Amino acid sequence: DIQMTQSPSSLSASVGDRVSITCRASQSISRFLNWYQQKPGKAPKLLISAASSLQSGVPSRFSGSGSGTDFTLIISSLQPEDFATYYCQQSYSNYFTFGGGTKVEI
Amino acid sequence: EVQLVESGGGLVQPGGSLRLSCAASGFTFSSYWMHWVRQAPGKGLVWVSRINSDGSSISYADSVKGRFTISRDNAKNTLYLQMNSLRAEDTSLYYCVRERSIVGADLFDFWGQGTLVTVSS
Repeated sequence: DIQMTQSPSSLSASVGDRVSITCRASQSISRFLNWYQQKPGKAPKLLISAASSLQSGVPSRFSGSGSGTDFTLIISSLQPEDFATYYCQQSYSNYFTFGGGTKVEI
Repeated sequence: EVQLVESGGGLVQPGGSLRLSCAASGFTFSSYWMHWVRQAPGKGLVWVSRINSDGSSISYADSVKGRFTISRDNAKNTLYLQMNSLRAEDTSLYYCVRERSIVGADLFDFWGQGTLVTVSS
């Protein structure tokens, strides 16, 4: 199975900061990489698909990049509503594994 | 409006069984692949199982293979997860999730609110 490793597992940041989260796959997954945001007590929300395609309604301060095994989610200017946990997910194989998550805290 | 509503969770003893259901509405259920994803309290997301649109292709995570069975009834717009031989480590919130496939991506675009399964004596 493909393993997904996110780093860091948590980070502290301030409003207005640029935040970068990394996701690494245990083998090449081309660009079959999605990013989700989850707030406490809520279901996850899709932010980005195919490594860099921003979903409708998602603010442009979110961006994704990468291919193969290494991917990055960037929040260009952190807003109060962005404090949440972020997960990457591969959809290259039939086993849609998630990364361990990155909690973005104040 | 797309809605996925899970039910069937609860407290069960180790070794017991539960059947989760997910009632889908607001879209053509029979056209979509569906998944179950779980999340233990305070932990991350874990993919559990998926089923294709007509039920002919199924996959499971290694941790549940042989114990869990995913199925669907397209006439009733309902997804199921039969969980047998439950263990303490199966304690989680179980989400029903819709998969959407587009060129170059398979993604989870709608999630239910989850149903909590607690395995404890």
